[in-house]
This record gives sequence, C-alpha cells and structure tokens, in this order.
Amino acid sequence: QSVLTQPPSASGTPGQRVTISCSGSSSNIGNNYVYWYQQLPEAAPKLLIYTNHQRPSGVPDRFSGSKSGTSASLAISGLRSEDEADYYCAAWDDSLSGYVFGSGTKVTVL
Amino acid sequence: EVQLLESGGDLVQPGGSLSLSCAASGFTFSSYAMNWVRQAPGKGLEWVSGISGSGGSTYYADSVKGRFTISRDNSENTLYLQLHSLRVEDTAVYYCARWDAAFFYDSSGYYTGVDYWGLGTLVTVSS
Repeated sequence: QSVLTQPPSASGTPGQRVTISCSGSSSNIGNNYVYWYQQLPEAAPKLLIYTNHQRPSGVPDRFSGSKSGTSASLAISGLRSEDEADYYCAAWDDSLSGYVFGSGTKVTVL
Repeated sequence: EVQLLESGGDLVQPGGSLSLSCAASGFTFSSYAMNWVRQAPGKGLEWVSGISGSGGSTYYADSVKGRFTISRDNSENTLYLQLHSLRVEDTAVYYCARWDAAFFYDSSGYYTGVDYWGLGTLVTVSS
C-alpha cells in the first residue's frame, strides 16, 4: 500500500481537463516538495512537475501542479491522445527517511 | 544532455547476489545525489536507495535495508547498487535516478526530488 494516495484511473475526451489528486500527510506532502512524473507505456518515467508547481523546459503548459496542506494535484488541460500514460506523485517522507510515490493514476483519452 | 545508463541486470536465484551499475554523463556527477528506484512487473514505482553527492549520506527503503548497498565513484561518474539475499519480490526494473541537487534537502530544509531517470535494467529473481 502506497504512502501517497492517488485514484487508480482518470479519463477524458480530447480537449477536456483532467485532474489527478495525491493525498499524503504532514510527514511528506505537508512538509516537503511534491514532484509529478509521467510514464508512457514501456518507457522510463519522466519529470513533469517539480517543487509543487514548476514545469521543466519542454513540458507543455497544459500540465500544471498545485499543493495545499497535505494534498497535491496535477491538472492536464486540453487533453491529447499522447497524454495517455501513468502519472505518479512523489515526495520525501520525513518519518520514513525515504522518497515515497503515489500508487499511480492511469489516464485514458476516450 | 543528461544520460544515465544502467547495466548488470540478470536472472538470479533466490538468496543470490547481483551488482548493478549506472554510468552517468552530461552533468557534473559529484554535484548531484543519486538514487535507485524499482518497478515490479505491472506495478508502481518504489524508491530503493539514495546517496548524497559526496557519498557521505545514504538512505534505504525498509524493504531492502541490510540487504542492498548503494555506493558511488565520482572519479568514474558511476553509481552502484549491490544486491544480496535476493528474494522473488525483488524482481523489477531498476532505474538509476538523479536527485535535483547534491543534498536531498534545499537551503530551507525542505526535501526536493528526482529529476532525471535512466532507461532501467531488469533484475529477475527466480529458481
């Protein structure tokens, strides 16, 4: 069972907005930065959002991240077929002294 | 361009040992903490271990503590993971992953995260 809780799936039609939640606690999200990763089928994960809401160069501004208290969320606006992937949130956990991941959310473009 | 290339994955029997390597290029290796993250077939991501830029601080997930050892050679730009007492549940793709700074926390004391990933190497533990 993952320390960070994500919904197992999310879906939308092309052009729609999809939001993925990530729930944690005061020892992880509440006290450290949240990172988001995209994993396309049969590929390595790729950084999507760092330090809660920053986008690396090359990541479209359709992807946005936010954090409030012990929860975070990733929003994908203008959904495209190439956004079909697994999405993971992550944060350092002070109690575990380790980096913890969410269970992952599979996004399907209908 | 940051590149991380893992090697060493293999089929090994339960109770056996294995050594993984990660050759880094495209950045000043000693200026970044490094990690190993694994993904069992069809499952999610699991952080395994991390080491600071100097090698002076190491961290391990409880699931591997006492069995795995992380190390680095900054003169060779290489990260290592020694795996001992392997179990069937250690079967996974093992990714080398760069932390976004030399230390795991920033100047404010808040921990940051992984920014680059390698392509992974498959470790299969089976009799």
